[in-house]
Amino acid sequence: GQQVMQIPQYQHVQEGEDFTTYCNSSTTLSNIQWYKQRPGGHPVFLIQLVKSGEVKKQKRLTFQFGEAKKNSSLHITATQTTDVGTYFCAGNNDYKLSFGAGTTVTVRA
Amino acid sequence: DTAVSQTPKYLVTQMGNDKSIKCEQNLGHDTMYWYKQDSKKFLKIMFSYNNKELIINETVPNRFSPKSPDKAHLNLHINSLELGDSAVYFCASSQDLGMGNTIYFGEGSWLTVV
Repeated sequence: GQQVMQIPQYQHVQEGEDFTTYCNSSTTLSNIQWYKQRPGGHPVFLIQLVKSGEVKKQKRLTFQFGEAKKNSSLHITATQTTDVGTYFCAGNNDYKLSFGAGTTVTVRA
Repeated sequence: DTAVSQTPKYLVTQMGNDKSIKCEQNLGHDTMYWYKQDSKKFLKIMFSYNNKELIINETVPNRFSPKSPDKAHLNLHINSLELGDSAVYFCASSQDLGMGNTIYFGEGSWLTVV
């Protein structure tokens, strides 16, 4: 069945630095979504990517969908304390959304 | 107004007990879900319902029984609770089953079995 792998599982970042989290699927995806879950909170939708090679930006967050539609990445520049949380990718195929294991981000001030 | 609301938010209970978690969405969505998040934050889908009809049942023990009285409600009843059932349970909804729909999550129900 479809599997979505996400790395790294944990990311400790110095405030002001950049980091990237990666998402890889064993199958070609129709689209990919990204969610953010703050500590003690619930996952909240960030963005959806549909087209091969698509790149979307939300302020300091850059989301990319691979050419083969089997991988995606989230790059955050100039990390702030408000970026703390767990970032999940979720791949869509055959009307089933599969979540990655998440990347939990902590920030050192 | 809360879009997806679930109760209770916290639940501590003893092994062997039966408990229910209720969920309601006021978004007018056709599809609702139950997800389980373990201590490692892994989000696993348990059930999905579309217009009150069970669509997905992801090999969940039959001690877990979802019930959807109407498309705005999806409740989860758990019989004979076990220690391993301790987790955060998220109710969620989406417009319908179509690919590309955003999933809206409730705030979660923290279940602790002692």
